[in-house]
Amino acid sequence: EAQVTQNPRYLITVTGKKLTVTCSQNMNHEYMSWYRQDPGLGLRQIYYSMNVEVTDKGDVPEGYKVSRKEKRNFPLILESPSPNQTSLYFCASSFRQTLSRSYNEQFFGPGTRLTVL
Amino acid sequence: KNQVEQSPQSLIILEGKNCTLQCNYTVSPFSNLRWYKQDTGRGPVSLTIMTFSENTKSNGRYTATLDADTKQSSLHITASQLSDSASYICVVRDDRGSTLGRLYFGRGTQLTVWP
Repeated sequence: EAQVTQNPRYLITVTGKKLTVTCSQNMNHEYMSWYRQDPGLGLRQIYYSMNVEVTDKGDVPEGYKVSRKEKRNFPLILESPSPNQTSLYFCASSFRQTLSRSYNEQFFGPGTRLTVL
Repeated sequence: KNQVEQSPQSLIILEGKNCTLQCNYTVSPFSNLRWYKQDTGRGPVSLTIMTFSENTKSNGRYTATLDADTKQSSLHITASQLSDSASYICVVRDDRGSTLGRLYFGRGTQLTVWP
């Protein structure tokens, strides 16, 4: 089954304790992205990756790191989590947009609910 | 500034009734507009996508319209069901030619269908 998976689905941690949220897709997508979703603010992009070893900042990258060593995986790293990073996080993937393929749908993972105390 | 605005912020309707959700955008240059449905606690799922030349697109009981001149889109839900209760998100992609266009997300309309 074609899908985007995230782990863990729920996480409660304390301020300053490094954590990693994993994201994996089995659709051979080049493009992967991380979003956070907060009440009243909608989805905001944290980081994205156009392909292996190619990553770039989104709208709210502060406090986050990512890596793209393999095409299927795109982990989100919080080196020193703070309470303002309490949020619902989504990973998404799609084929890379080209002139002949401009309308690629982003497939979203099930979400990771993170609470930082 | 490129923006996507959705209205209403929330909506409650009775089962079986119709409703229309609105999306206004200022994104330019425009590539396409997609409506997503997001059930509580789950990731968004695409309902429809429309390009500049498309005025309407249907997916079952969901019908999306696009007026590229006024930069407005609507999502009409016919004969609503309890399972339609969700957040509906309007997403617009800009057109950067051969590179990846950026996505602009609306904040969503929270629809609740009551029995």
